[in-house]
Amino acid sequence: EDQVTQSPEALRLQEGESSSLNCSYTVSGLRGLFWYRQDPGKGPEFLFTLYSAGEEKEKERLKATLTKKESFLHITAPKPEDSATYLCAVLRSNDYKLSFGAGTTVTVRA
Amino acid sequence: DVKVTQSSRYLVKRTGEKVFLECVQDMDHENMFWYRQDPGLGLRLIYFSYDVKMKEKGDIPEGYSVSREKKERFSLILESASTNQTSMYLCASSFVQGSPEAFFGQGTRLTVV
Repeated sequence: EDQVTQSPEALRLQEGESSSLNCSYTVSGLRGLFWYRQDPGKGPEFLFTLYSAGEEKEKERLKATLTKKESFLHITAPKPEDSATYLCAVLRSNDYKLSFGAGTTVTVRA
Repeated sequence: DVKVTQSSRYLVKRTGEKVFLECVQDMDHENMFWYRQDPGLGLRLIYFSYDVKMKEKGDIPEGYSVSREKKERFSLILESASTNQTSMYLCASSFVQGSPEAFFGQGTRLTVV
């Protein structure tokens, strides 16, 4: 069974204080690993897809990286508007269904 | 931009009522999904559909059914709503081939009283 574990559960940062979120996974035959951002009361917003170990993607202050066992979401010099829950999900080859982690809730204080 | 639209943001229904949640996507995606999201339990897949009139059970299908009569529309039906179905319901869609990422709607917060 696919397993996706995110850590930490919650992260409180000062504005400008860079940090990383972890997503470790076990899946047989990874088709893709996905990062989403979710604001309270809203649906998840797609951020990145990573396909293979060594791949990196960037968007504004966010950078996602992938190894064979885990992915990191680095937040560089965060701002209060980066406060959200960040979800990680994996998709197995020849499958349709995403397996989600429980998420990391990030709070950035001004 | 991909758009997945759920018919309601908030719904309040009574126990025993039949409830319909509608979802429409405009990207010609083959796959469509219904999840529910609860604190501490994360996103759990209820049903998904990979083609018109095709459906498969997800992890928690009990008490739910679905309908997909047209490619762009996927409906979730609560046959007889119960209080333990109070939750945030999320619809998503994705391609079968090509880019595999799923795009989500804004969510429906359903309260069953």
